[in-house]
Amino acid sequence: AQTVTQSQPEMSVQEAETVTLSCTYDTSESDYYLFWYKQPPSRQMILVIRQEAYKQQNATENRFSVNFQKAAKSFSLKISDSQLGDAAMYFCAYRTTGNQFYFGTGTSLTVIP
Amino acid sequence: GAVVSQHPSWVICKSGTSVKIECRSLDFQATTMFWYRQFPKQSLMLMATSNEGSKATYEQGVEKDKFLINHASLTLSTLTVTSAHPEDSSFYICSALGTAYNEQFFGPGTRLTVL
Repeated sequence: AQTVTQSQPEMSVQEAETVTLSCTYDTSESDYYLFWYKQPPSRQMILVIRQEAYKQQNATENRFSVNFQKAAKSFSLKISDSQLGDAAMYFCAYRTTGNQFYFGTGTSLTVIP
Repeated sequence: GAVVSQHPSWVICKSGTSVKIECRSLDFQATTMFWYRQFPKQSLMLMATSNEGSKATYEQGVEKDKFLINHASLTLSTLTVTSAHPEDSSFYICSALGTAYNEQFFGPGTRLTVL
């Protein structure tokens, strides 16, 4: 079974600075999708960014970018120019070709003004 | 983006009663819907996967007779918590996967409190 590991239960960053959240996963598949979701206090899950495993280029969405290392099974999220609204729980997720999703345990991000 | 609604957003019920939670995809057809449970400060735990017109597939340890899932149409799935007990109190989240998308869209969640 696939597993997703987030080794940082909590992280903090100064406003306007950059922070990187780590995620590793275990799989025997070659084709899959990876996601980062944000869950603010409202608890609504919001998609931040996604990466298709077959794409070598790292995905980027405005201030959010990933460092996808397929061989190392690593998928970290970099948040640049952190804003107060970025404070939330962040979950890394893996989707199999069979449409099964696996979530990491989450990282709580605090943004310090 | 695609929108998924959940109703009710919160519910309080007495022990022994049943509660139904609805999950609707508002602007797309969802071939597959997922039901998650989330405890405070924890990750999402997948309870079951439902495909339109077929029986739901439950994860190990989830009682299918207690958590009844119906996916009657391409836009609606329901989760019924039968004979609810205080330990069933939790935050329940649904999500929907459409044929045109490679991602799942989440509902806003339902907070269930069983007294």
